[in-house]
Amino acid sequence: ETGVTQSPTHLIKTRGQQVTLRCSSQSGHNTVSWYQQALGQGPQFIFQYYREEENGRGNFPPRFSGLQFPNYSSELNVNALELDDSALYLCASSPVAGGTTGELFFGEGSRLTVL
Amino acid sequence: GQNIDQPTEMTATEGAIVQINCTYQTSGFNGLFWYQQHAGEAPTFLSYNVLDGLEEKGRFSSFLSRSKGYSYLLLKELQMKDSASYLCAVRDDYKLSFGAGTTVTVRA
Repeated sequence: ETGVTQSPTHLIKTRGQQVTLRCSSQSGHNTVSWYQQALGQGPQFIFQYYREEENGRGNFPPRFSGLQFPNYSSELNVNALELDDSALYLCASSPVAGGTTGELFFGEGSRLTVL
Repeated sequence: GQNIDQPTEMTATEGAIVQINCTYQTSGFNGLFWYQQHAGEAPTFLSYNVLDGLEEKGRFSSFLSRSKGYSYLLLKELQMKDSASYLCAVRDDYKLSFGAGTTVTVRA
């Protein structure tokens, strides 16, 4: 148990729809990152939020957007869903923009299927 | 860019030792991590190396050579519960870049 919770755990959408995924970070952690993990692949960095501001972004199009709230929880929004967006979306929290080691604490993920 | 390579699959017998190699070429380096991920579950932290050398943690050890862009994870006294995917990840300033993972199957 990492203390990071995500919802929903599973969801099915159709192409063109929009989805919002939610994450509550571990207590005391003010940095949240989102990763996309396709089947059989390692997680790919989407973006990171620190104190409600995006402070790093991977190679994902603008239809992937996010928010971080004052309580450090976070949302990932994906617009105009495509079939290739089907993946496990992982939220990870860490203390103080990486802390001493940069260890990330992952949630169980949200499994998105786009039909 | 980031390029992190590790073998796709490895199989070993219960009680044996397995070594998972990872080579990397990254634009920045601020530490190398190993995570374990069981099917359908979140990755869990195993080890962290930022300086050259060996870090030992119970049955798991991890080694780093920064000049060679090389790391390995050593799993000793394998147990059936060690069957999982093992992810090598390199940290730059703010993010982790992961390899595709090595699926380890432990057989009785």
